[in-house]
Amino acid sequence: EVQLVESGGVVVQPGGSLRLSCAASGFTFDDYAMHWVRQAPGKGLEWVSLISWDGGSTYYADSVKGRFTISRDNSKNSLYLQMNSLRAEDTALYYCAKGAWFGEFNPLDYWGQGTLVTVSS
Amino acid sequence: DIQMTQSPSSLSASVGDRVTITCQASQDISNYLNWYQQKPGKAPKLLIYDASNLETGVPSRFSGSGSGTDFTFTISSLQPEDIATYYCQQYDNLEVTFGPGTKVDIK
Repeated sequence: EVQLVESGGVVVQPGGSLRLSCAASGFTFDDYAMHWVRQAPGKGLEWVSLISWDGGSTYYADSVKGRFTISRDNSKNSLYLQMNSLRAEDTALYYCAKGAWFGEFNPLDYWGQGTLVTVSS
Repeated sequence: DIQMTQSPSSLSASVGDRVTITCQASQDISNYLNWYQQKPGKAPKLLIYDASNLETGVPSRFSGSGSGTDFTFTISSLQPEDIATYYCQQYDNLEVTFGPGTKVDIK
């Protein structure tokens, strides 16, 4: 059974930093691209970032480019999101999600339950 | 950047009704269009991929069609468990964009 479990969400002050983690199990982690998607309270889904199966390629939404860094450790079946220079508008539930097939851009077939990041003074 | 629009933003229908949601892309995305269902307090779930392909295990009352810039998602016979928000999502041109969502409830 595929499982994605996010962690690391906390309350942080504007301008602060945070690293989110996603522990994956139930599939061959290094065969698939992985994504972060966020959802502000009461709002819709916003794609944040994608990393290729080997970490060699990364992509970001314009809203986080230059502030967030996605990475992965295939030896630990783990995905990460380093978030710097946090703003109030980064407040959201952050989901990690798995790409459906080998390759970079494809549907997101499994999602975690999310970890909540609140940026507030 | 590719922008996605959905209509309506919300709808109310009776059990057994046919429900249709449309999604429009700001440029041609071929068939790189997926549909997700999100129930309150839950993570999104993939229903339809590549515009018209039903994800494994998803009931056949859900369907999708379209290509290029205009897409349609249909629930052939609305069931109480279909109460959710539905999102389209494109993944063309090295970017990913979600539509704003359509909230579906029972009349």
